[in-house]
Amino acid sequence: GQSLEQPSEVTAVEGAIVQINCTYQTSGFYGLSWYQQHDGGAPTFLSYNALDGLEETGRFSSFLSRSDSYGYLLLQELQMKDSASYFCAVRDIRAAGNKLTFGGGTRVLVKP
Amino acid sequence: DVKVTQSSRYLVKRTGEKVFLECVQDMDHENMFWYRQDPGLGLRLIYFSYDVKMKEKGDIPEGYSVSREKKERFSLILESASTNQTSMYLCASGAGLNTEAFFGQGTRLTVV
Repeated sequence: GQSLEQPSEVTAVEGAIVQINCTYQTSGFYGLSWYQQHDGGAPTFLSYNALDGLEETGRFSSFLSRSDSYGYLLLQELQMKDSASYFCAVRDIRAAGNKLTFGGGTRVLVKP
Repeated sequence: DVKVTQSSRYLVKRTGEKVFLECVQDMDHENMFWYRQDPGLGLRLIYFSYDVKMKEKGDIPEGYSVSREKKERFSLILESASTNQTSMYLCASGAGLNTEAFFGQGTRLTVV
């Protein structure tokens, strides 16, 4: 099966940089995704890495190392609105269809 | 905009009732997913479907079943609701392997 590990909570101040790590175990890895969820809201897609390396999208970047089964989400120039939960997720191509499994989520609290 | 609509935001049901949670998407996506979200446990996959009438068990299928008679609709069924099924239920849909998943707003189910 699949398992994903990420820290449960991170606290930082406005303007800081936060890195959320994610390690995964899956039999048929096909890409690592990141989602953001504000309290009371639905998860929304942030980024996707299928190949090793860094993908940058504005203040957010995501990194993947397939050999280490590891990735991270980097949040730069933190803003109060970035306070949310962040989930890493993997697709498993060995499962019939497109199984999409999520980690437990990292709650990011941004303080003034 | 892609829209994933869940039929109810809040539901209260009695123990032993049969409960239907409905999810409809308007983007002709092949893949649809049902998750439950509990504090500290992230999003756990219950069932997913990759085509009409095709379904696969996720990580916690016990006590649940699903139905996908039409491509746009994916139903989650609690055959006999129990109090430990009190949770937030999230439906999602997506196209291929390397695309994002879109979530509905969730149904908060309370079983009393």
